[in-house]
Amino acid sequence: GENVEQHPSTLSVQEGDSAVIKCTYSDSASNYFPWYKQELGKRPQLIIDIRSNVGEKKDQRIAVTLNKTAKHFSLHITETQPEDSAVYFCAASKGSNYQLIWGAGTKLIIKP
Amino acid sequence: ETGVTQTPRHLVMGMTNKKSLKCEQHLGHNAMYWYKQSAKKPLELMFVYSLEERVENNSVPSRFSPECPNSSHLFLHLHTLQPEDSALYLCASSHQGENTEAFFGQGTRLTVV
Repeated sequence: GENVEQHPSTLSVQEGDSAVIKCTYSDSASNYFPWYKQELGKRPQLIIDIRSNVGEKKDQRIAVTLNKTAKHFSLHITETQPEDSAVYFCAASKGSNYQLIWGAGTKLIIKP
Repeated sequence: ETGVTQTPRHLVMGMTNKKSLKCEQHLGHNAMYWYKQSAKKPLELMFVYSLEERVENNSVPSRFSPECPNSSHLFLHLHTLQPEDSALYLCASSHQGENTEAFFGQGTRLTVV
């Protein structure tokens, strides 16, 4: 079955620097890749997603890239700020929310 | 607020107890989900209801029993749980169909003693 690996499990960056979180997936039929952010004690919330017909998507300081050949996708956060501190989850799906397979999460720590 | 509300927020129960978790959404969604979130593990999908019918049951032990009386409400009935069932239980909802955003509740932190 589908498997999603997420790295690193913890990432600590200086405020203002960039952060990159990477995920790999195993099922080449996967076509939808969302990223969720979960702040401490709060619910996961969608921050950006990408579909397999595009290679990159940006939303202000956040971007996601997709390499279908290598079966990996990455989250890029530029000019990090304290409010970016959270756990970030990637996921992959090939048809519906029922089939979302999640990564184990990355705890992002922004150092002042 | 995203419109998905879970109660209670925290629950401590003994292994012989019976309790229920409740989830309510007022977003007009017609699919609802139960997830289990354990530390440093991927989110585990437990149950899916679409149009009030169960469409997914990922080999969850029978001590967890879901109920979806209507499209706005979802319950998870718990009985004779084990300590390893301690986790954060998240409810989510979405529109039925391909790859739509899932809106999560804040979860119920369950501790089994």
